Amino acid sequence: NAGVTQTPKFRVLKTGQSMTLLCAQDMNHEYMYWYRQDPGMGLRLIHYSVGEGTTAKGEVPDGYNVSRLKKQNFLLGLESAAPSQTSVYFCASSYRPWREDLYEQYFGPGTRLTVT
Amino acid sequence: AQSVSQHNHHVILSEAASLELGCNYSYGGTVNLFWYVQYPGQHLQLLLKYFSGDPLVKGIKGFEAEFIKSKFSFNLRKPSVQWSDTAEYFCAVIGTDKLIFGTGTRLQVFP
Repeated sequence: NAGVTQTPKFRVLKTGQSMTLLCAQDMNHEYMYWYRQDPGMGLRLIHYSVGEGTTAKGEVPDGYNVSRLKKQNFLLGLESAAPSQTSVYFCASSYRPWREDLYEQYFGPGTRLTVT
Repeated sequence: AQSVSQHNHHVILSEAASLELGCNYSYGGTVNLFWYVQYPGQHLQLLLKYFSGDPLVKGIKGFEAEFIKSKFSFNLRKPSVQWSDTAEYFCAVIGTDKLIFGTGTRLQVFP
């Protein structure tokens, strides 16, 4: 199993450009998450999904959109990139937490995005 | 709402020193708690988790954490750190359908 994969690994954008980050998981997880990591701020949840076709806002959703058209994929979109969106983006997935002892988020390797 | 706080932002130790990283959570009911580690340039990996039962939880790489309900704490410990433990450590608590992370503690271990 590949686990959680993210595409691309690195990207440089100019202000105003758009892009989509792809997250894929092969563990048949119901739940998927997008975080951003910034120095001194820890991990902040952008959006998440509790199942195919569903999305929900996290802590810092502004400027981002997401889609979960297939259970294994979770896309994060930046419609008009801003320098404040320079960050490392992590995707994660988990089982539905109905079985608490199984609950654990599995993380992807991250995407380093720079907006100039 | 659930929250966790990690008061140690940056910890510097010499090899073989003992480690304790603080984590406090806000909710007084049933809690499920985690410690994750992020080695330089890598993604987050689970160190250990607590759901119920024995409040002393053992994880990978010699780490352990103790759940103390009366103190709302879930501190991470290791009796003797190694240079390879240099990493960022995150405490987290389960919220509704998601994990809520602390801001992290950066640990540097010098030989």
